[in-house]
Amino acid sequence: DVKVTQSSRYLVKRTGEKVFLECVQDMDHENMFWYRQDPGLGLRLIYFSYDVKMKEKGDIPEGYSVSREKKERFSLILESASTNQTSMYLCASSTVGGTSGRPGEQFFGPGTRLTVL
Amino acid sequence: QKEVEQDPGPLSVPEGAIVSLNCTYSNSAFQYFMWYRQYSRKGPELLMYTYSSGNKEDGRFTAQVDKSSKYISLFIRDSQPSDSATYLCAMSDSGGGADGLTFGKGTHLIIQP
Repeated sequence: DVKVTQSSRYLVKRTGEKVFLECVQDMDHENMFWYRQDPGLGLRLIYFSYDVKMKEKGDIPEGYSVSREKKERFSLILESASTNQTSMYLCASSTVGGTSGRPGEQFFGPGTRLTVL
Repeated sequence: QKEVEQDPGPLSVPEGAIVSLNCTYSNSAFQYFMWYRQYSRKGPELLMYTYSSGNKEDGRFTAQVDKSSKYISLFIRDSQPSDSATYLCAMSDSGGGADGLTFGKGTHLIIQP
């Protein structure tokens, strides 16, 4: 059974704190992603990584950084948390697709609901 | 430009009805079209995908893509209360999975028993 796990389901932090969100996958996937999901805005890509130590900015990288030191682990870092970063954060990993008409399938974790006070 | 439009709903229908969910998009480079289902307090799960234009059927679910109109649809026949969830369309140009997907905002579907 494929699995993406996230370190916390709920997290409450104070403005200005450094926040680490951890994600681990056990499927040996090369690709990993961090999204945030907000009512009325949907899922938005923050950062992604296609290999260890590689990272690429998504659509909304401002205020975030990432780290991928091991293939199975992808961390999202909020250097100085702000109230506008209160959101649901979803991690995903994906197979490599694009052949024979089959896309890479993204597998999502259960999400971390972060509240910044 | 990556932009996908999807009506957020909520869409409420009685059990047994046929449900139609839709997305429009503007990027003509998209070739892979997916539907994800997200239950409350869970992450999204892939429901179906299609490549390029055409239809694909899987049990009670049918996905349609009309690339000329930049319009995709998901039909659910004989809808059940267990189909109540948020449905997100997602699209990709390369399909390789390495650059993420562009998601619609999701439609919240409620099937009334």
